[in-house]
Amino acid sequence: NAGVMQNPRHLVRRRGQEARLRCSPMKGHSHVYWYRQLPEEGLKFMVYLQKENIIDESGMPKERFSAEFPKEGPSILRIQQVVRGDSAAYFCASSPPGDTYEQYFGPGTRLTVT
Amino acid sequence: GEDVEQSLFLSVREGDSSVINCTYTDSSSTYLYWYKQEPGAGLQLLTYIFSNMDMKQDQRLTVLLNKKDKHLSLRIADTQTGDSAIYFCAETSDSNYQLIWGAGTKLIIKP
Repeated sequence: NAGVMQNPRHLVRRRGQEARLRCSPMKGHSHVYWYRQLPEEGLKFMVYLQKENIIDESGMPKERFSAEFPKEGPSILRIQQVVRGDSAAYFCASSPPGDTYEQYFGPGTRLTVT
Repeated sequence: GEDVEQSLFLSVREGDSSVINCTYTDSSSTYLYWYKQEPGAGLQLLTYIFSNMDMKQDQRLTVLLNKKDKHLSLRIADTQTGDSAIYFCAETSDSNYQLIWGAGTKLIIKP
């Protein structure tokens, strides 16, 4: 059973460009969570999604950030018009149906904005 | 608001026990976790404990929870060089899905 997959592992964008981060949950998992880790800090919750539904996006910045988890395909975290402050590691986690407390993490995408 | 605190560094000799400590503020936390992050890698779920337990043991790992003092610890017996990593403590918020994280403790192993 493959773990949580994220790609790309590293992403470099210039200020003003768009960043698209992808996450494929573990097989059988229907819940996806995105977290952001700034350098030297712990992770901060961003959003919780189930298939075709955003359950809680209270941790997402109000502008430029969006997330989706379509019926088919990976979950996507999209950052429009990136700024230097968006440079961070973005982690995706997934959990089985009904077990939101047991979250398994992917390797992360390290976004660098130049 | 909710907060999780950890020391930033811990240095131990190879073969000794490591004890990584964590304090949290949310008395309604249901689950408390320890994750391990190796350089450039993702987060590995090491273990978690339900808040009505006070101890959990899994091979070399022992988790102790003092709910009264809101204190969580992770003991690693016979610490090896492969244990070098950053260890994160986390708790669930009221929602049971939103994990609140400490800043991580970097475990340094001396030969």
